[in-house]
Amino acid sequence: RKEVEQDPGPFNVPEGATVAFNCTYSNSASQSFFWYRQDCRKEPKLLMSVYSSGNEDGRFTAQLNRASQYISLLIRDSKLSDSATYLCVVGGGADGLTFGKGTHLIIQP
Amino acid sequence: GAGVSQSPRYKVAKRGQDVALRCDPISGHVSLFWYQQALGQGPEFLTYFQNEAQLDKSGLPSDRFFAERPEGSVSTLKIQRTQQEDSAVYLCASSFWGLDYNEQFFGPGTRLTVL
Repeated sequence: RKEVEQDPGPFNVPEGATVAFNCTYSNSASQSFFWYRQDCRKEPKLLMSVYSSGNEDGRFTAQLNRASQYISLLIRDSKLSDSATYLCVVGGGADGLTFGKGTHLIIQP
Repeated sequence: GAGVSQSPRYKVAKRGQDVALRCDPISGHVSLFWYQQALGQGPEFLTYFQNEAQLDKSGLPSDRFFAERPEGSVSTLKIQRTQQEDSAVYLCASSFWGLDYNEQFFGPGTRLTVL
């Protein structure tokens, strides 16, 4: 059974701080990696894909470590609107996507 | 353009009832996925279609669950003889092509409550 593990939190972080989440996955054959964001009682939405070389999108930076099988997400200068659940998602080719349970982030004013 | 739509948004069923949940994917999207999300959990894969072909149904929890996409667009997830443990949000997602290399766009979900 493929697993994607995340710290469920909640992470309570003051506005403007930097916060980082990690996620580990069990399937070494995994080929695609994503972070999705899910607001309360809403559907998940893609935040960013994660590439082997690491990638950045504004205040968000994602990194992949294939050797250790973990993925990270860094949020800089956090905003109140960043409060959400962040889902780590891993794809393994023929078996679709496996979602972690999510990390709950609360940005406090 | 229109996103993925699902209906009904909320469904309350008595234990033992059959329910049918509908998903309208984004027009032109080849791939369609169903997920089940319990409270406080991440979405769990149920089944996957490429056009009208159901290529993977390994996530369906029992033979009471059945999904179809007869014309390669709209899909229906049917649950027969509902049980309380079926209570969850059922999410549908579509993507332009492929299994997991493309972004999946999710619908708002159907929140099923079985009494």
